[in-house]
Amino acid sequence: DTGVSQNPRHKITKRGQNVTFRCDPISEHNRLYWYRQTLGQGPEFLTYFQNEAQLEKSRLLSDRFSAERPKGSFSTLEIQRTEQGDSAMYLCASSLGLAGAGETQYFGPGTRLLVL
Amino acid sequence: DQQVKQNSPSLSVQEGRISILNCDYTNSMFDYFLWYKKYPAEGPTFLISISSIKDKNEDGRFTVFLNKSAKHLSLHIVPSQPGDSAVYFCAATIGGATNKLIFGTGTLLAVQP
Repeated sequence: DTGVSQNPRHKITKRGQNVTFRCDPISEHNRLYWYRQTLGQGPEFLTYFQNEAQLEKSRLLSDRFSAERPKGSFSTLEIQRTEQGDSAMYLCASSLGLAGAGETQYFGPGTRLLVL
Repeated sequence: DQQVKQNSPSLSVQEGRISILNCDYTNSMFDYFLWYKKYPAEGPTFLISISSIKDKNEDGRFTVFLNKSAKHLSLHIVPSQPGDSAVYFCAATIGGATNKLIFGTGTLLAVQP
């Protein structure tokens, strides 16, 4: 299976701890997105990479959040000093980056974070 | 500010009948609309999309209709099958470099055998 993969699938942490999630996009996909989904809501955009460049960040992404995509392949999302409000499903998606508007984004299974 | 709205949290239909899922939006700058399906413990899966310059797009059992004047779109599934039971998200994009998706809150479809 060469779809988008995310690790870990589940993470339980205590408030104040740092956590890091990893996303491996579909090979050759230039665009990579992070979204966050809370209970009863649709996914909300967090940040976007074109290759290794982070081109847009949502205002939802506070200073405690940082994302990287070194070498334009996998990406990591780190949350420092976690808060209970960070509990959510973190979704990664990728797309080829050639088709422009409306291009299909392929989602990974997500990482479910629970902050105690 | 919910730019994409799905006002029906859930919908139940009988197998073989038509399922109609609705979505409203407020931003007239949206240029593409997409429907995603999500099963529990999985990420959303792309279903079908429509450009803002079209009013209908069909793919097998799935048809999306767009009414720009009403800022409304709908997804028709016919005939509905039990395997269609999932949460359906309506999403939209604004033309530009990012192509980020703006999602609605989802509708849980239950297809009864």
